[in-house]
Amino acid sequence: GENVEQHPSTLSVQEGDSAVIKCTYSDSASNYFPWYKQELGKGPQLIIDIRSNVGEKKDQRIAVTLNKTAKHFSLHITETQPEDSAVYFCAASIKGWNTDKLIFGTGTRLQVFP
Amino acid sequence: GAVVSQHPSRVICKSGTSVKIECRSLDFQATTMFWYRQFPKQSLMLMATSNEGSKATYEQGVEKDKFLINHASLTLSTLTVTSAHPEDSSFYICSARDRLTGEQYFGPGTRLTVT
Repeated sequence: GENVEQHPSTLSVQEGDSAVIKCTYSDSASNYFPWYKQELGKGPQLIIDIRSNVGEKKDQRIAVTLNKTAKHFSLHITETQPEDSAVYFCAASIKGWNTDKLIFGTGTRLQVFP
Repeated sequence: GAVVSQHPSRVICKSGTSVKIECRSLDFQATTMFWYRQFPKQSLMLMATSNEGSKATYEQGVEKDKFLINHASLTLSTLTVTSAHPEDSSFYICSARDRLTGEQYFGPGTRLTVT
């Protein structure tokens, strides 16, 4: 079955710097790669996703890149702000009709210091 | 945007009792809902996939008789933790897949504490 690894487990940056979180997946059939932000005591919130027919996607300060050959995908946050501090999870799934079971990475705790 | 609610948000129960957690899609219909468990500082682990009108599909290692799932309508799935023990204490999160768009939305989670 699918296995998703995520690095680093913790990341501390200064406000305004960039943060990069990386994930690798094992199942080459996976075609959907969402990223979630989870604040303490809350459920995960989708922040950006990418599908396997796209190599990069950007939404304001957040971007995701996908390397299908290497089975890597990464989250890039630019101009970080203290409110970006949270736990971030990557996930992978084979998205099709009735087949989108998400497998989550181990999470990255991001701290942005003012 | 699409909203998924969970009730209760927090529950404390005594060992040996059963607890029911509800997951509702508020503004869309969900033929499929997923139940996850998250221990402190750990990732979300899928417990089971709940399909409306049929039996749930459980992940390996999850006891179906202990974690009863009912998906009786297109907007409601329930998870009942039976004969709860302290080791069942965890954060339980559901997600619901919009049957029209295929997008998956997460609920806010339920923190279960078994004393």
